[in-house]
Amino acid sequence: EIMMTQSPTTLSVSPGERATLSCRASQNIDSNLAWYQQRSGQAPRLLIYGASTRATDIPARFSGSGSGTQFTLTISSLQSEDFAVYYCQQYNNWPRTFGQGTKLEI
Amino acid sequence: QVQLVQSGAEVKKPGASVKVSCKASGYTFTTYYIHWVRQAPGQGLELMGTINPSGGRTSSPQKFQGRVTMTRDTSTSTVYMELNSLRSDDTAMYYCARGREVGATGDWFDPWGQGTLVIVSS
Repeated sequence: EIMMTQSPTTLSVSPGERATLSCRASQNIDSNLAWYQQRSGQAPRLLIYGASTRATDIPARFSGSGSGTQFTLTISSLQSEDFAVYYCQQYNNWPRTFGQGTKLEI
Repeated sequence: QVQLVQSGAEVKKPGASVKVSCKASGYTFTTYYIHWVRQAPGQGLELMGTINPSGGRTSSPQKFQGRVTMTRDTSTSTVYMELNSLRSDDTAMYYCARGREVGATGDWFDPWGQGTLVIVSS
């Protein structure tokens, strides 16, 4: 089973600033990585797939990069609605596995 | 639009079983896998299993094998997840999510159902 490790656990950022979230896979997953946003009390929502492709209706301030074992989600100019928990997920191997999440707080 | 709608919250006693439904709409039901993911209170996301609605074939991580049963009803575009021998640590929000198209590769989860809260308490 591939382990996904996210850092940091919590990230404190001010509105308008840039946030950089990291995700590391325990083995090579090529670009088979997705990012999800989960606002409080809501289901997760797909942000990024293929490591860098934005999902439908996701604002351009969200961008993903990386391949192999190291990945980054960048949110430029944070809006109030962006403060949430973010998860990475690999779909290169079975079973699909998630990181433990990064909480983005004000 | 593509939508997954789940059944309502459940309260169960330890040792009982729970069956959660997930009704799909807005696409051809048999052409996409459906995953079940759970989230314990304040915790992260954990895959419980996957079903191919076309033939009904299922897969589950070893942790859930023998305790999780996934089925589907193609006439109503609904998948079901049954978890038996419930324990207090099964208290969680349970989500269904659409996965990859049958025959395709990329297996991101989109969209997700609204979630079903299952509480296990004596």
